[in-house]
Amino acid sequence: TAGITQAPTSQILAAGRSMTLRCTQDMRHNAMYWYRQDLGLGLRLIHYSNTAGTTGKGEVPDGYSVSRANTDDFPLTLASAVPSQTSVYFCASSSWNHNEQFFGPGTRLTVL
Amino acid sequence: KQEVTQIPAALSVPEGENLVLNCSFTDSAIYNLQWFRQDPGKGLTSLLLIQSSQREQTSGRLNASLDKSSGRSTLYIAASQPGDSATYLCAVRSGNQFYFGTGTSLTVIP
Repeated sequence: TAGITQAPTSQILAAGRSMTLRCTQDMRHNAMYWYRQDLGLGLRLIHYSNTAGTTGKGEVPDGYSVSRANTDDFPLTLASAVPSQTSVYFCASSSWNHNEQFFGPGTRLTVL
Repeated sequence: KQEVTQIPAALSVPEGENLVLNCSFTDSAIYNLQWFRQDPGKGLTSLLLIQSSQREQTSGRLNASLDKSSGRSTLYIAASQPGDSATYLCAVRSGNQFYFGTGTSLTVIP
């Protein structure tokens, strides 16, 4: 199985433009998560979804939005990108009863 | 707010040595703690998950312990190999939030 896929692998974006990072999992996990990883700060949770149709805010949600229309997909949207959103973004998923998180390969985003 | 600390930030050991990585957290009200490995430019690979009711988990040469009351976890790696070189991260779940440490960068010298 593919596990978790993310697209694109990397992207350079002009400030003020919008962008959607895609995440798809094929493990039928209930919960999905978006993190950003920055040097010296580690991984920080942006948004999460415990089940299709529900979402919640993580530690650093401002400037980002998510949706969870179905079990498999959990896109992350930057409506108007700013340079401080330059980061590596990771999507993850877990099952409700076990809670072990599995991560995708990441998207490297540069906002200029 | 939960804070997770990993010490040391970097560690170099000769091949074959046993080693311990440390993870501490400030709020003992956690659901679980998970250890990950991250290779440069890659995603995170899950190593071990310890539920809050458990004291330890083992997988091959890896053993993770959890002392919830003192806010500590250790990852023990036996007979280290050069292929173990990577950054090791711990994460705790508190409610619906997950908090990560900044990792320990391990280099195993052949």
